[in-house]
Amino acid sequence: SQKIEQNSEALNIQEGKTATLTCNYTNYSPAYLQWYRQDPGRGPVFLLLIRENEKEKRKERLKVTFDTTLKQSLFHITASQPADSATYLCALRMDSSYKLIFGSGTRLLVRP
Amino acid sequence: KAGVTQTPRYLIKTRGQQVTLSCSPISGHRSVSWYQQTPGQGLQFLFEYFSETQRNKGNFPGRFSGRQFSNSRSEMNVSTLELGDSALYLCASRVGDEQYFGPGTRLTVT
Repeated sequence: SQKIEQNSEALNIQEGKTATLTCNYTNYSPAYLQWYRQDPGRGPVFLLLIRENEKEKRKERLKVTFDTTLKQSLFHITASQPADSATYLCALRMDSSYKLIFGSGTRLLVRP
Repeated sequence: KAGVTQTPRYLIKTRGQQVTLSCSPISGHRSVSWYQQTPGQGLQFLFEYFSETQRNKGNFPGRFSGRQFSNSRSEMNVSTLELGDSALYLCASRVGDEQYFGPGTRLTVT
């Protein structure tokens, strides 16, 4: 069956360290993968998109990698700050439609 | 530019009733998608509208329906509400590959 997995346990790190979040998928061949940030009671906010033919994408302190052989994406936040504390969601776009399949999200807590 | 707006933000309904939620996309965006978010199932795609036409539909029963108007505003309707319909309903407008979500409507069914 098709599945998208993100660490269900919260990731707890010290301010200044690099946070690394994982998104694994099975039985999908996505056209691209996106990462979103969601704060409690609010809608997700788009962060980064990486296409199937790209290995890595960067935006300021954010970096995303995409390994279609391993069927895995890693999302890194360098020099993390308490304001980065939120739930991070990965989402796959499967085909020519714009239907997104979301993972369950990983909660990140950055301690001051 | 104003973001995606959704009304109402909170709603309480009883089983068997119906509800209509509204979404106004970012100006110039012609695509609107709807998602349901629950603690157990996460974010699940409901449907997408583009230029007043439904382009995609998720795996939800026919009680869930939607429409889009000529000004790109969209409404979602749920009939015969069930307790399990309690969720955060999110609308997103899209330009290119980037989706912009609204704050959501929190629906509670009692």
